[in-house]
Amino acid sequence: NAGVMQNPRHLVRRRGQEARLRCSPMKGHSHVYWYRQLPEEGLKFMVYLQKENIIDESGMPKERFSAEFPKEGPSILRIQQVVRGDSAAYFCASSPETESQPQHFGDGTRLSIL
Amino acid sequence: KNEVEQSPQNLTAQEGEFITINCSYSVGISALHWLQQHPGGGIVSLFMLSSGKKKHGRLIATINIQEKHSSLHITASHPRDSAVYICAVADYGGSQGNLIFGKGTKLSVKP
Repeated sequence: NAGVMQNPRHLVRRRGQEARLRCSPMKGHSHVYWYRQLPEEGLKFMVYLQKENIIDESGMPKERFSAEFPKEGPSILRIQQVVRGDSAAYFCASSPETESQPQHFGDGTRLSIL
Repeated sequence: KNEVEQSPQNLTAQEGEFITINCSYSVGISALHWLQQHPGGGIVSLFMLSSGKKKHGRLIATINIQEKHSSLHITASHPRDSAVYICAVADYGGSQGNLIFGKGTKLSVKP
């Protein structure tokens, strides 16, 4: 039973390019969460999605960032026109349908902006 | 003031010692999580609790809702326990995924 799969593990982009981060939740999990960990800082919530729905995006920057979790395929976190400050580790987690279940985390994507 | 405070920030212990990491929070919560972040960066969920006490192997987590405080204990610590331990809370008024994280406690267990 594979865990939460994130790819790529490392992503390097130049300023102004687009970054796409992918997350495949654990089998049977329909809730996906994205978190960001800036260098030397703690984790911060970004967005919570269920299949085809954004439940809570209160942690997402208002511009350049978007997330989706389509009916088929992985969840995608998309960052347009990246800037140096976007350099961070981005973690995805998933949990089953029912609430009050712990989240399972992926190994993260380390995004570096040149 | 941060909504989730952990102490200590750094902790060095000798193998075999009993370890306690504390977490205090200032918001009403629906659940509290303890996470472990390995030196390589991966994150593992250790506990999710909303009351009382949970135990898994050498790890014990307790929570006191009235005092807004939780502790993570490690018995018979081992060098492989070296990691950053993170406390996170789900705000009662927020969604279940909208976790507020502490800054973490970096634990180093020496052989």
